[in-house]
Amino acid sequence: EAQVTQNPRYLITVTGKKLTVTCSQNMNHEYMSWYRQDPGLGLRQIYYSMNVEVTDKGDVPEGYKVSRKEKRNFPLILESPSPNQTSLYFCASSSRDSGNTIYFGEGSWLTVV
Amino acid sequence: SQKIEQNSEALNIQEGKTATLTCNYTNYSPAYLQWYRQDPGRGPVFLLLIRENEKEKRKERLKVTFDTTLKQSLFHITASQPADSATYLCALDMFSGGYNKLIFGAGTRLAVHP
Repeated sequence: EAQVTQNPRYLITVTGKKLTVTCSQNMNHEYMSWYRQDPGLGLRQIYYSMNVEVTDKGDVPEGYKVSRKEKRNFPLILESPSPNQTSLYFCASSSRDSGNTIYFGEGSWLTVV
Repeated sequence: SQKIEQNSEALNIQEGKTATLTCNYTNYSPAYLQWYRQDPGRGPVFLLLIRENEKEKRKERLKVTFDTTLKQSLFHITASQPADSATYLCALDMFSGGYNKLIFGAGTRLAVHP
């Protein structure tokens, strides 16, 4: 089954404690991206990757890092989380072959206190 | 910068009626426009894509129109059912530099009542 899997699904953490949200896709997609979703603001892109070792900033990259060492994985790193990073995060993947359709993970609820 | 407007108020309709959701955008027209469905606490799921040179696209009970003059897309669900209740997201596909960058609207919540 085609899937984008992210972990953890729910996390409460404290300000400044580094955390990583993992993302893995099994569709051999070249494109992967991270979004955050906040009430009234819609989905906003944080970072994206066009292929292995190729990443670029999206619209709201401040406070985040990513890496793409393997095609299937695209972790999101918060080096020093702050309360304004409390949000619902989605990992997504797509491919030219998927007809521009984006496949989303189930989301990760992150609360920073 | 590109802005997308979807009706922030929930749309309440009776089962069996046609639901119509609106997506308006500013500035230049995208190469494609996509619609997604999102259920509470879940990731968005792709529904339909329409290209800038297409006026209308259908899939079962769903219909999307794309008017580049009005800078508007309409999303219709005919014979609506309570199971259609969800938030519907419009996304502009701004193909740039070999990458399909999507810009999402905030979504419109649809509630279909029996």
